[in-house]
Amino acid sequence: EAQVTQNPRYLITVTGKKLTVTCSQNMNHEYMSWYRQDPGLGLRQIYYSMNVEVTDKGDVPEGYKVSRKEKRNFPLILESPSPNQTSLYFCASRGGRYTEAFFGQGTRLTVV
Amino acid sequence: DQQVKQNSPSLSVQEGRISILNCDYTNSMFDYFLWYKKYPAEGPTFLISISSIKDKNEDGRFTVFLNKSAKHLSLHIVPSQPGDSAVYFCAASARRDDKIIFGKGTRLHILP
Repeated sequence: EAQVTQNPRYLITVTGKKLTVTCSQNMNHEYMSWYRQDPGLGLRQIYYSMNVEVTDKGDVPEGYKVSRKEKRNFPLILESPSPNQTSLYFCASRGGRYTEAFFGQGTRLTVV
Repeated sequence: DQQVKQNSPSLSVQEGRISILNCDYTNSMFDYFLWYKKYPAEGPTFLISISSIKDKNEDGRFTVFLNKSAKHLSLHIVPSQPGDSAVYFCAASARRDDKIIFGKGTRLHILP
């Protein structure tokens, strides 16, 4: 089954404690992205990647890092999480231009 | 600066009637538009898309209309069904950088 898998689904952490949210896709897609969803703000892109070792900033990259060492994986790293990063995070992948993006189930992160 | 705007935060429609969700965009470089549907606690799922070379695309009960001169697109759902109650996101991408930009979403309520 074609899917995008994120882990964990839920995470509560403390300010400053580094964390990684993993994302994996099994569709051999070149494009992968991370979004955060906040009330009243919709989906905002954090980072995206057009291929292995190629990443670029989205609209809200501050406080986040990503890496794309393999085609299937695109982890999101928060080196020093802060409470304003409490949000619902989605990973997505797409096969190329003029194709739809497939989303993971989401990771609800709470930073206290 | 919001490039994709969904000005109606919510919409209520009687079951069986037509639902019309609207979206405006400001970036004339956008050439591919998508609609997504999102249920609570799930990732967004792709509904329908349209390229800028077309002005209409239809898929079952869903039709998307694009008016390039007005920088406006709309999603029509006919007939509306209870399972259509969800948040709908309009999204757009430009050839230049291949990011997908999302609107803030419209919550659709289908009334019995």
